[in-house]
Amino acid sequence: GESVGLHLPTLSVQEGDNSIINCAYSNSASDYFIWYKQESGKGPQFIIDIRSNMDKRQGQRVTVLLNKTVKHLSLQIAATQPGDSAVYFCAEKDQAGTALIFGKGTTLSVSS
Amino acid sequence: ETGVTQTPRHLVMGMTNKKSLKCEQHLGHNAMYWYKQSAKKPLELMFVYSLEERVENNSVPSRFSPECPNSSHLFLHLHTLQPEDSALYLCASSQGPNSPLHFGNGTRLTVT
Repeated sequence: GESVGLHLPTLSVQEGDNSIINCAYSNSASDYFIWYKQESGKGPQFIIDIRSNMDKRQGQRVTVLLNKTVKHLSLQIAATQPGDSAVYFCAEKDQAGTALIFGKGTTLSVSS
Repeated sequence: ETGVTQTPRHLVMGMTNKKSLKCEQHLGHNAMYWYKQSAKKPLELMFVYSLEERVENNSVPSRFSPECPNSSHLFLHLHTLQPEDSALYLCASSQGPNSPLHFGNGTRLTVT
């Protein structure tokens, strides 16, 4: 069946470190991938997206890497800050191509 | 302010009640979605509306009934729910399947 998963449920880093959050996806036909951040009491917030014709995309302090060979997606956060503490979800398009399906999430904890 | 407003933020209802969740988007998007978020589970897609037509119903029980009267409003009508339906219900909108979803902050539903 369709599933999008993350390798680690939790990740703890020190302020200033770089963080890497990984995700394995299953729908090889998906042409669009996206990362979200969810803070307590709020809905998921868009971070960065990438289309399948790219293997890397950079934003402000964030980079998404896509490896279609092994169906792997990662989110890199540079100089992690306490405000980055949240749950991070990757998502891919479903088989119907009309919506996104989400992984279980990785909880990032940043200590100062 | 996410551009997607959900009301109420919290709802407690008995199993015999009928209630409705409301979602309004101010982003000019043409697609709207309902997702369910339960503890320790990935976000589950429930319904997809594109241009006010339902394009996906992800095997959701009939006790959940969506309504999309126009491209800016989405409702989820609830009746004879079960305690296991207690969850955070998230509404989102987008400008199509290859665009990010913009989420509201959700309605925290408790069924007693």
